[in-house]
Amino acid sequence: AQKITQTQPGMFVQEKEAVTLDCTYDTSDQSYGLFWYKQPSSGEMIFLIYQGSYDEQNATEGRYSLNFQKARKSANLVISASQLGDSAMYFCAMRPQGAQKLVFGQGTRLTINP
Amino acid sequence: NAGVTQTPKFRILKIGQSMTLQCTQDMNHNYMYWYRQDPGMGLKLIYYSVGAGITDKGEVPNGYNVSRSTTEDFPLRLELAAPSQTSVYFCASSYLARDTQYFGPGTRLTVL
Repeated sequence: AQKITQTQPGMFVQEKEAVTLDCTYDTSDQSYGLFWYKQPSSGEMIFLIYQGSYDEQNATEGRYSLNFQKARKSANLVISASQLGDSAMYFCAMRPQGAQKLVFGQGTRLTINP
Repeated sequence: NAGVTQTPKFRILKIGQSMTLQCTQDMNHNYMYWYRQDPGMGLKLIYYSVGAGITDKGEVPNGYNVSRSTTEDFPLRLELAAPSQTSVYFCASSYLARDTQYFGPGTRLTVL
């Protein structure tokens, strides 16, 4: 069965620093998708970035980039120049091959300190 | 373009009551999903739909029912509410199965 592991329950970072949120996944599928979502205290789920398993380049979206290491089955989210508004829960998720569902990790709570 | 909308935002139910959580999307997406998020956890799939008239179970379907009569709407029905159904419920949609899922704002449900 597929599984997502986020080993950092909480992280504290100074404003303007870069931060890496860890995500490892377990799958035997050849084709799959990896996603990161942000959940601020208001509760909504905001899509941040996507990486396909066959994508050769690491995905980037503005200040977000995904450090994809397929052999190590890791898909870490990197936020450059963190801002106070980045304080939120962050979820890593995987869409298994041929599946409609997303499998979510337990999340990492990121706090940006001024 | 409102995206995915959900009503109500909050609801308190007594054990044994029933209710319907509403979900509507205006993006002409084929796929719609219902997830639940328990405290401190990630989301788990309850039901999904690949188009009007077609629904299927996810990981945690017990105690819930769905229907999809139109492309836009995907209501979730709770029958005989139980305290274990206290959770935050998210509706999501995507154009195709492989596409990014976009989420509604969630419904926080408490069963007492």
